[in-house]
Amino acid sequence: GAVVSQHPSWVICKSGTSVKIECRSLDFQATTMFWYRQFPKQSLMLMATSNEGSKATYEQGVEKDKFLINHASLTLSTLTVTSAHPEDSSFYICSARTEAFFGQGTRLTVV
Amino acid sequence: AQTVTQSQPEMSVQEAETVTLSCTYDTSENNYYLFWYKQPPSRQMILVIRQEAYKQQNATENRFSVNFQKAAKSFSLKISDSQLGDTAMYFCAFMKPYTGNQFYFGTGTSLTVIP
Repeated sequence: GAVVSQHPSWVICKSGTSVKIECRSLDFQATTMFWYRQFPKQSLMLMATSNEGSKATYEQGVEKDKFLINHASLTLSTLTVTSAHPEDSSFYICSARTEAFFGQGTRLTVV
Repeated sequence: AQTVTQSQPEMSVQEAETVTLSCTYDTSENNYYLFWYKQPPSRQMILVIRQEAYKQQNATENRFSVNFQKAAKSFSLKISDSQLGDTAMYFCAFMKPYTGNQFYFGTGTSLTVIP
């Protein structure tokens, strides 16, 4: 079946640096991917919709300059957390196409 | 906007028993999809079951079944013969098709199966 692969599964970075998270669709083309953020013991909150070949659509309250999304190909979307701060520490999850395909998630810790 | 409410933050059930998780939602749409997801400690989101709003018949998947009450906007999940591996967070989700397939998730229910 279709698989969405997310990398890395966890990352620790220093405050002020940038971190890139990749989301790949392994055996299908995904014109649309979604990025979610999940705080501990909380639900998934949609951050943005990534559209291949065009600008991402961000949810209200999400800083587009901090969370840069690039969807340059039909199998890859990337989320870059720029100038990361400790409050950006969270679990980030991507999904593609339809309801069954979620990535494994990335745990980001900013120190 | 769509909202999804799960009123049970935590639940527990004895192994082999049956448990029901509640979910209500609010929408003005007539055509939509509802889902239950399981998130074990690994944090991988796993689709448990889905229901199309236009179908009156309740969806079932082995030990998992739903009670879909469209008029009441209720979508509960019943887990029969609970197993230790069912211990996880369970999220109810709503999706309106043809709008980019965006999901709206409930706040989750933490289920513990007690041996």
